[in-house]
Amino acid sequence: EVQLVESGGGLVQPGGSLRLSCAASGFTFSSYAMSWVRQAPGKGLEWVSGISANGGSTYYTDSVKGRFTISRDNSKNTLYLQMNSLRAEETAVYYCAKGESGGSGCFDYWGQGTLVTVSS
Amino acid sequence: QPVLTQSSSASASLGSSVKLTCTLSSGHSTYIIAWHQQQPGKAPRYLMKLEGSGRYNKGSGVPARFSGSTSGADRYLTISNLQFEDEADYYCETWDSNTHKVFGGGTKLTVL
Repeated sequence: EVQLVESGGGLVQPGGSLRLSCAASGFTFSSYAMSWVRQAPGKGLEWVSGISANGGSTYYTDSVKGRFTISRDNSKNTLYLQMNSLRAEETAVYYCAKGESGGSGCFDYWGQGTLVTVSS
Repeated sequence: QPVLTQSSSASASLGSSVKLTCTLSSGHSTYIIAWHQQQPGKAPRYLMKLEGSGRYNKGSGVPARFSGSTSGADRYLTISNLQFEDEADYYCETWDSNTHKVFGGGTKLTVL
């Protein structure tokens, strides 16, 4: 059974940093692309960042480029998102999502999400 | 980059059928999309991948009541024999050549 378990969310002040983790199990983690998707309170889904299966390619939505860094440790079956210079409008539930392949394609599994609150 | 357009809301009666629409922007009518369901307070759940040909592949455990179809730039999700647990937000997803993902704004389905 595929499982994605996010952690690391919490309350952070504007301008602060946070590192999210996503522990994966039930599939060959190193064979699949992964992404982070966020959802602000009462809003829709927004793709944030993605990474290829071997970690060699990374992708970001324009609003987080230069502030967020996605990475993965295939030996630990874990995905990360380092978030710096956080803004109040980035308060959201952050989901880890598994790609259906090593490169492009849709998401076929989702984690339960971790809440990030950016507030003073 | 493709844009996905969804109606903000839909409603249908218990036991009936409903057809939700996701429309691809001009120049992107052949794109593959995916449908995801998000029940209140829960994480999204993958339902199916839907090709421009109308062929679709459903996720593990998705009931047979859920099906997909295509007409031009429109991608449809049809739910038959509606149940109360089908009351949820439904999102379509696609991706561009740089693997940037795009979501539609979501349709809130109410079961009457």
